[in-house]
Amino acid sequence: KAGVTQTPRYLIKTRGQQVTLSCSPISGHRSVSWYQQTPGQGLQFLFEYFSETQRNKGNFPGRFSGRQFSNSRSEMNVSTLELGDSALYLCASSLGTWWRGLYGYTFGSGTRLTVV
Amino acid sequence: KNEVEQSPQNLTAQEGEFITINCSYSVGISALHWLQQHPGGGIVSLFMLSSGKKKHGRLIATINIQEKHSSLHITASHPRDSAVYICAAHPWIQGAQKLVFGQGTRLTINP
Repeated sequence: KAGVTQTPRYLIKTRGQQVTLSCSPISGHRSVSWYQQTPGQGLQFLFEYFSETQRNKGNFPGRFSGRQFSNSRSEMNVSTLELGDSALYLCASSLGTWWRGLYGYTFGSGTRLTVV
Repeated sequence: KNEVEQSPQNLTAQEGEFITINCSYSVGISALHWLQQHPGGGIVSLFMLSSGKKKHGRLIATINIQEKHSSLHITASHPRDSAVYICAAHPWIQGAQKLVFGQGTRLTINP
C-alpha cells in the first residue's frame, strides 16, 4: 500500500512569504502529526490532527497553522516566513490517536524548506 | 535538561562490531520508539516498545520502565547501518498523541 506522501519535496521561499505543505497519510490512517527538524533544535512536535480536529499543539508561534480534511489529508501553513523557519518538515500518520491505544507511526520523506 | 537524552551523539565503528545506543527519558511514557534516519531525511520506524525486548533481524531494542532507560543494539554491524538513530518518547499525557525526541546518534560503520 502507498506510504505517507509529502509534497513538495523541496521549496525555496523568500522572507515574509507564506508557504503551504501537504501530507497524504496512509489510507485508513486518521491521525496526522507534523514535526520540524533543524540542525540546532533537532526534531520538534508542531501539531497533531485527528478527524479534522487539532488535538495537540507544540510550542510554536501562531504563524504555524494546519488543518485536516475529511479524507485525512493534512496541510500545514507558515505565514510571514523567517530565515529560522528553514527546516525539514516531516509528517507522520497513525491509525488512531491516544485513546484508541498505541499505534505506530509512519513518516513521510519530508519537505525541505529553505527561506532566503 | 532535555526530556529525552541519547548517548553517544556520534559513534564510529568497524564492520562486524556490536553497537549499543542508549536512551534515557524523564517523563512518564506509554511507549518508546526507535527511529532511523538516512541522509535525505526520510525516517523509518524501527521499534515501538512499552516493555521488555523486541528483535528484528540484527536489531534488538530493550526498555527498562523502572529505570526509564532504553537501548538499541545492532549485531554484526554493516556499512548500510550507517544512519542517524533517534529515540522518541510517547508521553503518558491524556489527549497527547505526540513524540518527544532525543537529539539522535549519528552512526558510521566503516568497511
